[in-house]
Amino acid sequence: NAGVTQTPKFQVLKTGQSMTLQCAQDMNHNSMYWYRQDPGMGLRLIYYSASEGTTDKGEVPNGYNVSRLNKREFSLRLESAAPSQTSVYFCASSAGTGYWENSPLHFGNGTRLTVT
Amino acid sequence: GEDVEQSLFLSVREGDSSVINCTYTDSSSTYLYWYKQEPGAGLQLLTYIFSNMDMKQDQRLTVLLNKKDKHLSLRIADTQTGDSAIYFCAERGNAGNNRKLIWGLGTSLAVNP
Repeated sequence: NAGVTQTPKFQVLKTGQSMTLQCAQDMNHNSMYWYRQDPGMGLRLIYYSASEGTTDKGEVPNGYNVSRLNKREFSLRLESAAPSQTSVYFCASSAGTGYWENSPLHFGNGTRLTVT
Repeated sequence: GEDVEQSLFLSVREGDSSVINCTYTDSSSTYLYWYKQEPGAGLQLLTYIFSNMDMKQDQRLTVLLNKKDKHLSLRIADTQTGDSAIYFCAERGNAGNNRKLIWGLGTSLAVNP
């Protein structure tokens, strides 16, 4: 079982470039999430989608946009990358419908992004 | 606001027990989770406990919850080198719409042969 698949695994961007991080899950989960992980800061929620067709801001949404393309796919776009966006990005999914439900999160293996 | 705290590092010898501790501030917590992150990988759910339980055991893992002190611990019996990883504690509150998931910063467990 693939679970949550993220692409690419690694990416280097120059300041001002744009890119889209892709995420797909094959568990028929309703909710999907984008987190960033930084040393000393832990996991911070960027955006989440409680169900197909809905998206909501998390703690650190500035500089990002998301699209819930269908039930399986949730993409994260950086329109104009900045060095502060250098991070490891994780996509996750959960079975329930909503950020406030209790089913555990299943994570992808992450995208390591460096912005120079 | 809500907070979850963990010590950052723990070092144990192979075969010993490891105990990773976590404290949280939200008295309305419903579920508390332990996740494991191996190098270069995402987070993997290890176990979780509902707030009306004191203890949960799953093979080598024992979770203890002291709701009065808002203290959660994860005990790994017979720790192996494959247990070397970062362990995250997370809690979900139950305060109306504010049931978001709050993460600790993670405890890095080093298992020495």
